[in-house]
Amino acid sequence: NAGVMQNPRHLVRRRGQEARLRCSPMKGHSHVYWYRQLPEEGLKFMVYLQKENIIDESGMPKERFSAEFPKEGPSILRIQQVVRGDSAAYFCASSPAIGVFEQYFGPGTRLTVT
Amino acid sequence: AQKITQTQPGMFVQEKEAVTLDCTYDTSDQSYGLFWYKQPSSGEMIFLIYQGSYDEQNATEGRYSLNFQKARKSANLVISASQLGDSAMYFCAMSARQGAQKLVFGQGTRLTINP
Repeated sequence: NAGVMQNPRHLVRRRGQEARLRCSPMKGHSHVYWYRQLPEEGLKFMVYLQKENIIDESGMPKERFSAEFPKEGPSILRIQQVVRGDSAAYFCASSPAIGVFEQYFGPGTRLTVT
Repeated sequence: AQKITQTQPGMFVQEKEAVTLDCTYDTSDQSYGLFWYKQPSSGEMIFLIYQGSYDEQNATEGRYSLNFQKARKSANLVISASQLGDSAMYFCAMSARQGAQKLVFGQGTRLTINP
């Protein structure tokens, strides 16, 4: 049973470009969470999605950031017009359902903005 | 709002000794979960142990145990017989049992095991 997959593992973008981060949850998992980790800090919640629905986006910056989890395919975290402050590790986690508390994390995508 | 506090930025321990990593939390929820994750230098997040707020017994998973003191709002991680491979960042986290169940993380403790 494959774990949570994230790609790319490393992404370099110049200021002003767009970054697209992909997350495929574990098989049978319909809940996806995105977190951001700045250097030397803990993870910070960004957004929680179920298939085709954004459930909680309270941690998402209001501008430039968006997320989706379509009926088919991976969840996508999209950052438009990246700035240096967006440089971070972005983690995706999945869980099978509400009431199951363990979240399984992917390996993360390290975004570097030059 | 939920908050996790880890007061030890770094710890150094001799191999084979037991180590306790501190974690205190704050929440107004009656029902919640507490987690510990390990993040080695390779960067992935590895789930270690989970404790539910209504669980009467402390959780254990192999060499890991969670010392849950509800009245003190603490959820310390105890690693017995430490090994060199335990060197990593350790994060305490919590979630509500209702609603979105997003995890709130502490700042982490960097554990170094010395041979």
